[in-house]
Amino acid sequence: DAGITQSPRHKVTETGTPVTLRCHQTENHRYMYWYRQDPGHGLRLIHYSYGVKDTDKGEVSDGYSVSRSKTEDFLLTLESATSSQTSVYFCAIGQGAREQYFGPGTRLTVT
Amino acid sequence: EDQVTQSPEALRLQEGESSSLNCSYTVSGLRGLFWYRQDPGKGPEFLFTLYSAGEEKEKERLKATLTKKESFLHITAPKPEDSATYLCAVHPNTGNQFYFGTGTSLTVIP
Repeated sequence: DAGITQSPRHKVTETGTPVTLRCHQTENHRYMYWYRQDPGHGLRLIHYSYGVKDTDKGEVSDGYSVSRSKTEDFLLTLESATSSQTSVYFCAIGQGAREQYFGPGTRLTVT
Repeated sequence: EDQVTQSPEALRLQEGESSSLNCSYTVSGLRGLFWYRQDPGKGPEFLFTLYSAGEEKEKERLKATLTKKESFLHITAPKPEDSATYLCAVHPNTGNQFYFGTGTSLTVIP
């Protein structure tokens, strides 16, 4: 398995609270990605990073921010959680145009 | 607009009954097409990368092929342990994003 961990693995939070999800890799891959997976939508890209402090938006970035201060860590923050952000969140790592490797996921429920 | 469509949405096979999954795509230019397997409650697991039309890759009972508009994942003599959701993704020539299909849920019945 590629060395990717996500924390927490499960979280229940209330509407309006900030939430931070963490992705940690031990593979020294340049690219890191955050996706959400919802029934009927498949995996959708939220944000990605192509280096330390270098990030860009994906197709569903509204309401999310990210930070990458070290090669190995990529944080996803929900600034003010809403029920529509209830989802399973996956982190992935890669080397650009090549395949991605995914973490185990975080199941987030916003009540 | 870059798009990926997978069919069928769900497929039930008897053990040993071969079949194919389809991934059709619309991109301005293809840098790579990827197949993943996803088991319930887990992250997608990488299977294959295809870069150009005519390319084929094989692994055990799975074979992936690519044309200019679609890719097929052929499953030969499947076993119950092949039951999973199979995802297809494309990486267009422009930008750094990958686009995923919604997957085919495969169930192999003993």
